[in-house]
Parts: sequence; structure tokens; C-alpha cells
Amino acid sequence: KQEVTQIPAALSVPEGENLVLNCSFTDSAIYNLQWFRQDPGKGLTSLLLIQSSQREQTSGRLNASLDKSSGRSTLYIAASQPGDSATYLCAVRQVNTGKLIFGQGTTLQVKP
Amino acid sequence: DGGITQSPKYLFRKEGQNVTLSCEQNLNHDAMYWYRQDPGQGLRLIYYSQIVNDFQKGDIAEGYSVSREKKESFPLTVTSAQKNPTAFYLCASSSGTAGYTFGSGTRLTVV
Repeated sequence: KQEVTQIPAALSVPEGENLVLNCSFTDSAIYNLQWFRQDPGKGLTSLLLIQSSQREQTSGRLNASLDKSSGRSTLYIAASQPGDSATYLCAVRQVNTGKLIFGQGTTLQVKP
Repeated sequence: DGGITQSPKYLFRKEGQNVTLSCEQNLNHDAMYWYRQDPGQGLRLIYYSQIVNDFQKGDIAEGYSVSREKKESFPLTVTSAQKNPTAFYLCASSSGTAGYTFGSGTRLTVV
């Protein structure tokens, strides 16, 4: 059974810091991995999608990497801003079922 | 703009009442999904549908029902058999191996 783990569960940093969020998964048979952002009481906003054949994707200050063989992904946020404060969720899409399996999320607070 | 629309944003259910959550997408996606989100438990899959007129149970389907009569629509009914329905419900869609797109959610509260 696929399990997705995100570390740390919570993170508080001062504005301007570069930071890394970690995601690990137990079954490497995945179609892709997706990083989402969720603001309190809101839906999920897709940040980056990495297909299983890719190693990384970039969007603005965000960079996500994927090492399928080791079951790991990282989300790198450069020059963090207070507006980046949110919960970040990692999810993998299973090959055998097509289902999206989520981690528990990392709640980020960026202090001005 | 293409996207997923969930309604209502807030919903209140009395004991013993069935309620239906709406989910509509104009992305021409084949597959649609319903997730439940509770504090500290992450997102759990309730039901999913990969094509019209077909759907499968997810991990926590008991007390819920769905239909998929149109490609664009995937309503979720929370029945009186669901003993703890208070939660945030999220609808999503996808096509092929593309990423998932989520709606803005419906918060259901039992009163």
C-alpha cells in the first residue's frame, strides 16, 4: 500500500529565507507527483506536476525535484514571502489504480 | 475560464437528512473524484468515476452515494447513514496522466 510522508509537519521561517519541503513515498510505481498549496478553508491549488520520467519542474520561485528510485521529492521555495504562508501537500498518482495518494502536508508560516 | 465549480460553499445538515453536494467541470476531463478532508487526517478518497455511467468506491464510501450521468457533473449525496459527516469536501477532475484540478470545496456541518 502506497504511503506518502511529508516532513516537517510545520515550519516557521523569517521572510527571505530559502526553504525545502520534503516528500517521500513507498511505492515507486507512479505516473506522476503533484505539489499543491492550500490556504485555510480553501481548495487545493496545483503548483507543480512532475511526470515519472522527469527529474524536476520549475515555476517562478518554486522548484520541485523527483527521484523515483529512492521515493523522494523536494519542493524548494526561494526567497520566501509572507504570502507563501499556507499548507503544502504532496500527492502521487498510482500506476495500478490511477488514484492520487496524499501526504499529510507541511504547514508553512513565513514571518515578515 | 475552465475549472471546477462546487456548490454550495457552506451546507448545514440536520440529523437524519440527506444532502447533495454539487460538482461541475468544464475541462472536458474524463475522471472525477470526491475527497473528504478532516483536520489531522489529510485527504481521503470517497468515490471516483473514470467514465460516464460508471463509478467506484474509494477508501471511505460508506454513507455516501454518487452518480455520473453526464461527463461534466459528479454530485455527491451524504446520506443519513454517514454518522460523522461534518468535514470539508473537495471535488477534483483529471484526464489521462495529467494532474488533478480541484474545486474550492464545500464545508458541511451537522446541526
